[in-house]
Amino acid sequence: GAVVSQHPSWVICKSGTSVKIECRSLDFQATTMFWYRQFPKQSLMLMATSNEGSKATYEQGVEKDKFLINHASLTLSTLTVTSAHPEDSSFYICSARGTYYSNQPQHFGDGTRLSIL
Amino acid sequence: TQLLEQSPQFLSIQEGENLTVYCNSSSVFSSLQWYRQEPGEGPVLLVTVVTGGEVKKLKRLTFQFGDARKDSSLHITAAQPGDTGLYLCAGAVTGFQKLVFGTGTRLLVSP
Repeated sequence: GAVVSQHPSWVICKSGTSVKIECRSLDFQATTMFWYRQFPKQSLMLMATSNEGSKATYEQGVEKDKFLINHASLTLSTLTVTSAHPEDSSFYICSARGTYYSNQPQHFGDGTRLSIL
Repeated sequence: TQLLEQSPQFLSIQEGENLTVYCNSSSVFSSLQWYRQEPGEGPVLLVTVVTGGEVKKLKRLTFQFGDARKDSSLHITAAQPGDTGLYLCAGAVTGFQKLVFGTGTRLLVSP
């Protein structure tokens, strides 16, 4: 149980393109979803927290207009990287949780490797 | 701002050796989770510890939560190549939805 599917797993696109990444909870309702960015050989860096039906809460230093997050249903959240540039290349990972409580575990997708040429 | 420092950052050992990874903070956490991440994949939860002083065992892995709930350790006995990966501790803070992730420990176990 508690499966999170992230799509696509790998995307390569030209600079200036907008890219959408989907995160789906397949067998539970995700009250809260998180989006992370991970640089090579480093830990996870939280970008934003989103609760279903509400606006996402972005971490300090993350550009809201650059990284658009939508959490319109209890099973789907999307991250859109607008006008992507090479510096946006990274590994993006989503996670989902069935409750608001941080004591409960997050279930992670397998990540999306984004390469901007 | 809560911070979780893990040590060591990187550990390369031979199969059969024992090791301990530490996760330290000056902040108190209501619970602490340990995850393992393999290259190209998302982290997978190993364990959650909730009570100060709590010890949990998962086969060859032993997890301990500090008495003051500010630190934790992961001990692996007789490491195997399959234990290779990035180990992340993550602390939960009452009243906050997000987890505070540690700096990570990369473990490489060679045959």
